Amino acid sequence: AQSVTQLGSHVSVSEGALVLLRCNYSSSVPPYLFWYVQYPNQGLQLLLKYTSAATLVKGINDFEAEFKKSETSFHLTKPSAHMSDAAEYFCASNNRLAFGKGNQVVVIP
Amino acid sequence: KAGVTQTPRYLIKTRGQQVTLSCSPISGHRSVSWYQQTPGQGLQFLFEYFSETQRNKGNFPGRFSGRQFSNSRSEMNVSTLELGDSALYLCASSLVLAGSNNEQFFGPGTRLTVL
Repeated sequence: AQSVTQLGSHVSVSEGALVLLRCNYSSSVPPYLFWYVQYPNQGLQLLLKYTSAATLVKGINDFEAEFKKSETSFHLTKPSAHMSDAAEYFCASNNRLAFGKGNQVVVIP
Repeated sequence: KAGVTQTPRYLIKTRGQQVTLSCSPISGHRSVSWYQQTPGQGLQFLFEYFSETQRNKGNFPGRFSGRQFSNSRSEMNVSTLELGDSALYLCASSLVLAGSNNEQFFGPGTRLTVL
C-alpha cells in the first residue's frame, strides 16, 4: 500500500509566487522523508531530507519543508517560483521505499 | 566522482522478448535499488540489492528479476515482456541500505518501449 500521498498531479504557479507542494505519509512510526526533483530526461535529484534532527528542513534552491507529526505531513515550499523550478517533484519515505505519484510543476511567466 | 550510469538509455522490444538493463552505482556505494516509473503509477519500487544479496522486494511479478555483482554493478532482467512494461526504469545507489536516512542517487534511467 502506498505510504506517501501527494495531491494534485499538476500544479501551476506564477513566477514569483509561493510554491506549495503537499505530502502526507501514513506510518505509525515517523519515517525518514525526502523530496526529490526530476527535470526532463534526467534522474531524480535530492532537494532535502528529514531525519528527525529538525522539523524545518532547508534544501537546495531555496526550497524548504516542515515535518508535522500531528498532521503526518511534510509539505514543500519555496517563497518565490522561478522559471527554472518547472519540473516534477516527488515526496518519498524510507518506509518500504515508497514514493508519491509526483507533482508536475508549471511556472507561468 | 562519477554519477550513477545506466545502459542502454533507450530500448525498443516486442512483446514476449526479454530485456536486460544495467546500472553502475557511484564508486563506494553498495546498495542499488531499481524503480519503474510510469505516468499513471509514478515511481514504484522493484527491488534493492546490497552486497550481492536482494534485501528488499516490491510488488512485481517474478518476470522481473535482478542481480548484483561483486563490484556493486547491478542488472535487471524482464522476461516475457508485456505492453504494460513500457516505462522508464530508474536505478539508484546509496552508501548503505536505502531504507536508512541515506540519500539515494539516481541514474538518468532506461526508457523501455514494448511494441
